[in-house]
Amino acid sequence: DAKTTQPNSMESNEEEPVHLPCNHSTISGTDYIHWYRQLPSQGPEYVIHGLTSNVNNRMASLAIAEDRKSSTLILHRATLRDAAVYYCILALDTGRRALTFGSGTRLQVQP
Amino acid sequence: ETGVTQTPRHLVMGMTNKKSLKCEQHLGHNAMYWYKQSAKKPLELMFVYNFKEQTENNSVPSRFSPECPNSSHLFLHLHTLQPEDSALYLCASSQPALSLSGANVLTFGAGSRLTVL
Repeated sequence: DAKTTQPNSMESNEEEPVHLPCNHSTISGTDYIHWYRQLPSQGPEYVIHGLTSNVNNRMASLAIAEDRKSSTLILHRATLRDAAVYYCILALDTGRRALTFGSGTRLQVQP
Repeated sequence: ETGVTQTPRHLVMGMTNKKSLKCEQHLGHNAMYWYKQSAKKPLELMFVYNFKEQTENNSVPSRFSPECPNSSHLFLHLHTLQPEDSALYLCASSQPALSLSGANVLTFGAGSRLTVL
């Protein structure tokens, strides 16, 4: 299975942009890149996903490198509520469809 | 409220007890999942159901027994568990896992925190 590599933790200040990196150098051509986050005492929640082009939604933006070997989740203005563990996941286009979670990046947001 | 409801939210049981965790979704999804999240470990996939049929069992011990009576409900029956089974058990649902390639989005419940004494 293709794997992702994320920093264990990052810190940000409130109201500032946050760039969360993810490396996936063994990604296959049809693998989607998904981001989920898990707030304290909650289940993971979907943030965004993409295949080749950059994507924007109300929560975040996803920037995908041209060679697709890395991606960056961008939170445009961090709030205290964005403190969570962020997971970068490859959705494998094989017979196995369930998402495999790694350890993620724990984001701390300082007021 | 995500649309996926798990009950109970907290459960304490002895090793000889039999209990069940329940998951319910009214999102019109036809795929349902059980994940286990132990302290300081990544989420581990346990079971996948598509249209009520089990399509994946990730080498889960038989003391965990899933049941999917319909596409909206998923149970995890627990019997003679061990203290190391204490964890957060998360249910998720999605569009059928066999029909969407790589773009499947999971909706998770808040989880059932299980403590085995």
